[in-house]
Amino acid sequence: KNEVEQSPQNLTAQEGEFITINCSYSVGISALHWLQQHPGGGIVSLFMLSSGKKKHGRLIATINIQEKHSSLHITASHPRDSAVYICGGYGGSQGNLIFGKGTKLSVKP
Amino acid sequence: NAGVTQTPKFRILKIGQSMTLQCTQDMNHNYMYWYRQDPGMGLKLIYYSVGAGITDKGEVPNGYNVSRSTTEDFPLRLELAAPSQTSVYFCASSYAQGALGANVLTFGAGSRLTVL
Repeated sequence: KNEVEQSPQNLTAQEGEFITINCSYSVGISALHWLQQHPGGGIVSLFMLSSGKKKHGRLIATINIQEKHSSLHITASHPRDSAVYICGGYGGSQGNLIFGKGTKLSVKP
Repeated sequence: NAGVTQTPKFRILKIGQSMTLQCTQDMNHNYMYWYRQDPGMGLKLIYYSVGAGITDKGEVPNGYNVSRSTTEDFPLRLELAAPSQTSVYFCASSYAQGALGANVLTFGAGSRLTVL
């Protein structure tokens, strides 16, 4: 069992829909990153959070450290949001990032 | 700012050859990382460094070596390339690690390596 699990693995949405991607982890973590990987392969860090909620434009990330769960929400989704979204938590014996396998999002016009 | 620069972007190696993936950052970040990404798998940490002169193994270090002689550079060396090392490699850097302030994690564009 992976220490960081994402769901769903694949998600197809219509433009304008509200999207939620979930990240659960079985190890204790101190903070968590949400990353976006574009179809061309580049990776961009969207958020790092250790508690509560952060918002950037149409993206909202929440985390509950005690419940070992984080969510990434996209409001008013757009085809340009199509990408793989990856969560990674700082944990384990060395405190390094442990990543989930990613959620592939496709937003149809 | 260039951020994190990786070279080469693509490379094909024959089994047994060696090569170095270069990584340079211009943000004065202390922490640097090398990850590999295989299809359907999450990013796996190969090696990391917390500062010049200090390196440590990650989750999948076998077949690789690194050095950190300066803050800016963190090259990854593949010795005796094997087909199992076919992957996409990402270098990344951050100012700190964990829940410390505005800890931005910056990735390079990736290097696609094929070993035949």
